[in-house]
Amino acid sequence: DADVTQTPRNRITKTGKRIMLECSQTKGHDRMYWYRQDPGLGLRLIYYSFDVKDINKGEISDGYSVSRQAQAKFSLSLESAIPNQTALYFCATSASLGAGGQRTKEETQYFGPGTRLLVL
Amino acid sequence: AQKITQTQPGMFVQEKEAVTLDCTYDTSDPSYGLFWYKQPSSGEMIFLIYQGSYDQQNATEGRYSLNFQKARKSANLVISASQLGDSAMYFCAMREGPGGYQKVTFGTGTKLQVIP
Repeated sequence: DADVTQTPRNRITKTGKRIMLECSQTKGHDRMYWYRQDPGLGLRLIYYSFDVKDINKGEISDGYSVSRQAQAKFSLSLESAIPNQTALYFCATSASLGAGGQRTKEETQYFGPGTRLLVL
Repeated sequence: AQKITQTQPGMFVQEKEAVTLDCTYDTSDPSYGLFWYKQPSSGEMIFLIYQGSYDQQNATEGRYSLNFQKARKSANLVISASQLGDSAMYFCAMREGPGGYQKVTFGTGTKLQVIP
C-alpha cells in the first residue's frame, strides 16, 4: 500500500465551487505539505504544516485553505475554485530534522500520487 | 536569480547508454540538501537520490548517482545503463536553511526520452 495517498485522483469542477483534496500518510512523519504543479513552472508550495497545531502559508496560498485533522491527515480546500487553479496537486510528507537541524536523507519529502484538478 | 537551474528542457539517450542530467544551484547557506525526483507520464513524483552539502562522497542509489561538485554548485544526476522505463521528467530540488521551515525549491525539470 502507498505510504502517501491522495483523494480524489482526478476532479472536474466548475468555477465558484468549493472543493476539498485530501491527503493521508502512514509514514509517521510530522511534516506535511501541499504543492501545485503547472507546466513549465515546477512545483510551488501552497501550505505546509509541522504538526497538528502548526500550519503555515507557502508562496501561493491565496485562494486556498488547509486543515490538519491529525498527524496523518492534511486537507487542502479551494474555497471558490477558479480556472487558473487548474493544476496537478501534490501532497508530500517529511520527517523532522535531527537535533541541530543536521542534514540527512531523512529530510527527504515523499509525495503522494497527485490529484489532477480541472476547473471549468 | 534562480535557485535551481536545469538547462536541458529535453534529452534523448539510447537504451543501455549512460546519461547525465544537469542541475546547478544557488545558495549562500553552508548547510543544504539536494534531491532528484522522477515524474513518469502517470504523474507521481518518485524520490531517486539525496546529497547533503557536508557529505564527503557522491551519493549512489542503484543505477543513479549524483555528481556533486560543491565549488561549482552543481549536482548532476547520472543514470547508467538507461532503460525504456527511465523515460520521464526529472526534477532537481534543494532544501536550505538552518532550522524551522526549510524551503524546498524545485527546478523546472528535464524531459528524458530513452530510445530503443
